[in-house]
Amino acid sequence: GENVEQHPSTLSVQEGDSAVIKCTYSDSASNYFPWYKQELGKRPQLIIDIRSNVGEKKDQRIAVTLNKTAKHFSLHITETQPEDSAVYFCAASMGGGYQKVTFGTGTKLQVIP
Amino acid sequence: DVKVTQSSRYLVKRTGEKVFLECVQDMDHENMFWYRQDPGLGLRLIYFSYDVKMKEKGDIPEGYSVSREKKERFSLILESASTNQTSMYLCASNSGAYNEQFFGPGTRLTVL
Repeated sequence: GENVEQHPSTLSVQEGDSAVIKCTYSDSASNYFPWYKQELGKRPQLIIDIRSNVGEKKDQRIAVTLNKTAKHFSLHITETQPEDSAVYFCAASMGGGYQKVTFGTGTKLQVIP
Repeated sequence: DVKVTQSSRYLVKRTGEKVFLECVQDMDHENMFWYRQDPGLGLRLIYFSYDVKMKEKGDIPEGYSVSREKKERFSLILESASTNQTSMYLCASNSGAYNEQFFGPGTRLTVL
């Protein structure tokens, strides 16, 4: 089955700096890659996703890049703010009629004011 | 606004007890999922269901079973709870493979 590895497990950045979280996946059939953010004590929520026919996607201060050949994808957060502090999960799915999503182990991001 | 609710926020049970965790969604979603969340291990899929009475094993189904008798309700059953099933359990639902999963608030289960 699919295996998703996520690094780093913890990340501390100064407010205003950029943060990058990297994930690799094992199954070349995976074609959908969502990212979820979980604030302390709250439920995970989707923040951005990308399909394999796209190499990059941006939404304001966050962007995701995908390298299908290398089977890795990354989340980039620019101009970090204290409210970006949370646990971030990457995930991979084959999509279509296959409903299962495999999550990474999570990255705890701390933005220091 | 999608709403996914879980029957309990906190639950304490004894080893060997049968435990029921219930999840209800109000958006007519076809797919429902049960995950457990443990520090350093992320979200691990226990079971999912893509239709009423249909279920599929996830990555860690051992010791668990599920039931989906109605579209809006998905139950997770621990037939005989063990201490290694102490965890946070999250339910989720969505309307298709490329669509956002909406999570419930979670149930923190402690098995003594």
